[in-house]
Amino acid sequence: GAGVSQSPSNKVTEKGKDVELRCDPISGHTALYWYRQRLGQGLEFLIYFQGNSAPDKSGLPSDRFSAERTGESVSTLTIQRTQQEDSAVYLCASSPRDRGGNTEAFFGQGTRLTVV
Amino acid sequence: DAKTTQPTSMDCAEGRAANLPCNHSTISGNEYVYWYRQIHSQGPQYIIHGLKNNETNEMASLIITEDRKSSTLILPHATLRDTAVYYCIVRVRETSGSRLTFGEGTQLTVNP
Repeated sequence: GAGVSQSPSNKVTEKGKDVELRCDPISGHTALYWYRQRLGQGLEFLIYFQGNSAPDKSGLPSDRFSAERTGESVSTLTIQRTQQEDSAVYLCASSPRDRGGNTEAFFGQGTRLTVV
Repeated sequence: DAKTTQPTSMDCAEGRAANLPCNHSTISGNEYVYWYRQIHSQGPQYIIHGLKNNETNEMASLIITEDRKSSTLILPHATLRDTAVYYCIVRVRETSGSRLTFGEGTQLTVNP
């Protein structure tokens, strides 16, 4: 596709259920980022993948959160035993890499997660 | 990544230049200045980045002070559609890549 695609666009789940959020990055982009944005707040870094390097997981808020990425393709963010405070928009971004390192990041439209 | 400081909000009249400041007094020699914006209910959008020289593209100009401790994003002729939160980020740009950390940003409101 032309841009970063995220699915679903909206997800309502019951407290305690597990959810999976998907991100399809732009083809050829080596870097992939996940962010969380609560209502009225800024972007909170969650995790960063760069090619085959070990991911930077330093932003994951708890062990209920995990993310996987296969090679330089699709990524899945999983939230186990969801809580109401997990309600937010989850944004994914990807960026290409040139000799100087990562260039600008392109963001998807996000998945709006509501935990009821 | 170095911390940045931006005003919480700014107003600008439509058609006038919008000048958005950013302080990054602890910036390192290998850190670039990036600007993104987020229009309500959309994902952030890249605007421009630079190291030490002033930069210009079709969206904006970036002016970086000689000591690199601050910068200004200039939207030369602001329109109502430029109303958004503008984020200034400093970030190492290296072949191994690096995370992109957003601060609180500046809410720019362009008024008719």
